[in-house]
Amino acid sequence: EDKVVQSPLSLVVHEGDTVTLNCSYEVTNFRSLLWYKQEKKAPTFLFMLTSSGIEKKSGRLSSILDKKELFSILNITATQTGDSAVYLCAERDGGATNKLIFGTGTLLAVQP
Amino acid sequence: NAGVTQTPKFRVLKTGQSMTLLCAQDMNHEYMYWYRQDPGMGLRLIHYSVGEGTTAKGEVPDGYNVSRLKKQNFLLGLESAAPSQTSVYFCASSYASAGTPYEQYFGPGTRLTVT
Repeated sequence: EDKVVQSPLSLVVHEGDTVTLNCSYEVTNFRSLLWYKQEKKAPTFLFMLTSSGIEKKSGRLSSILDKKELFSILNITATQTGDSAVYLCAERDGGATNKLIFGTGTLLAVQP
Repeated sequence: NAGVTQTPKFRVLKTGQSMTLLCAQDMNHEYMYWYRQDPGMGLRLIHYSVGEGTTAKGEVPDGYNVSRLKKQNFLLGLESAAPSQTSVYFCASSYASAGTPYEQYFGPGTRLTVT
């Protein structure tokens, strides 16, 4: 059974800190790994990673995939209170349905 | 573009009652999905559809039915609500995926409480 595990479950930091969120996966037919940010409502898309070692970057956020060790990390530098959210990692299987398997998420709280 | 919309936003049901959640998207996406989100469980796929008139079961389909009569709409039905179906329900949609991965776009969610 495919599985996605995120760590830590929750994290409290102060503004300006750098954080690293982890996502490991066990899948039979890996296709890509996605990161979403969820504040109060709908998850919003951050990154999609398909190749090992290629960093995706958007402002203070970056992510990288290691297909050999089956994990991905999401880095946030110079955190701000607006980064407080649940960060979800999901694996897209290799079928044509584009189904996603989600981890339970990491709750990040950034204190002023 | 409204993106993905869901109605209603909130609902309280008594055990045994039925209801239908409506999801609509205006992005001409082929694929649509229904998830439920519970504390500590992440998002779990209930049912999905890869096109008008077709539906398939996801990870947790029991107690739910779906229909996709029009490409832009995906309905989730609860025939006889149970307290275990208290959850936040999210609809999502994406482009068709013949080998190319696409992200899913999510609606704002429906918070359902069954008493």
